[in-house]
Amino acid sequence: DAGITQSPRYKITETGRQVTLMCHQTWSHSYMFWYRQDLGHGLRLIYYSAAADITDKGEVPDGYVVSRSKTENFPLTLESATRSQTSVYFCASSDPRDYEQYFGPGTRLTVT
Amino acid sequence: LAKTTQPISMDSYEGQEVNITCSHNNIATNDYITWYQQFPSQGPRFIIQGYKTKVTNEVASLFIPADRKSSTLSLPRVSLSDTAVYYCLVGDIPAGNNRKLIWGLGTSLAVNP
Repeated sequence: DAGITQSPRYKITETGRQVTLMCHQTWSHSYMFWYRQDLGHGLRLIYYSAAADITDKGEVPDGYVVSRSKTENFPLTLESATRSQTSVYFCASSDPRDYEQYFGPGTRLTVT
Repeated sequence: LAKTTQPISMDSYEGQEVNITCSHNNIATNDYITWYQQFPSQGPRFIIQGYKTKVTNEVASLFIPADRKSSTLSLPRVSLSDTAVYYCLVGDIPAGNNRKLIWGLGTSLAVNP
């Protein structure tokens, strides 16, 4: 199916565990983004990628790692999850010729 | 970096025009202004984008004054289905690996019958 998907949609993990959130898009968009959304903070950019093998930090990168070996995939890893990383995570992609970002359905992550 | 400020909430009635203003005093020359709509349990969805003056599409208009320090999203004749959170986003032109994106905290619009 065309579009942008995220998996899992819901995840509960324990403090200290490593967690990887997956993002896949079928449009071959060069730009991809990871955001977290929390009450009172809105959307905050964690990492973004301009192309395969090119990534850069956003506003709140600490505690997160990304990679992009293929254009269509942009996984986000929490190396050692903390309770403060409990949030809803959104992945997005866009074409470099315009500003419209296409968002995935989100992953609700709870760290206990 | 530009900081975006928008009202926390607004109320309206079906059939009315709704205007939501976003303040971005430190907007940079290369920054565009984009508005998104978000429903509960969904990702944000693009509404409209502009750089200056007025932009109109099939669902909304975007007014940007000459100094570009604010912008106003205008929704004509809202319906109950327009009840959502609206976000203002200020960001620069995608250029290599240096992209800055500043989101407002969102305006929760409630449309009443």
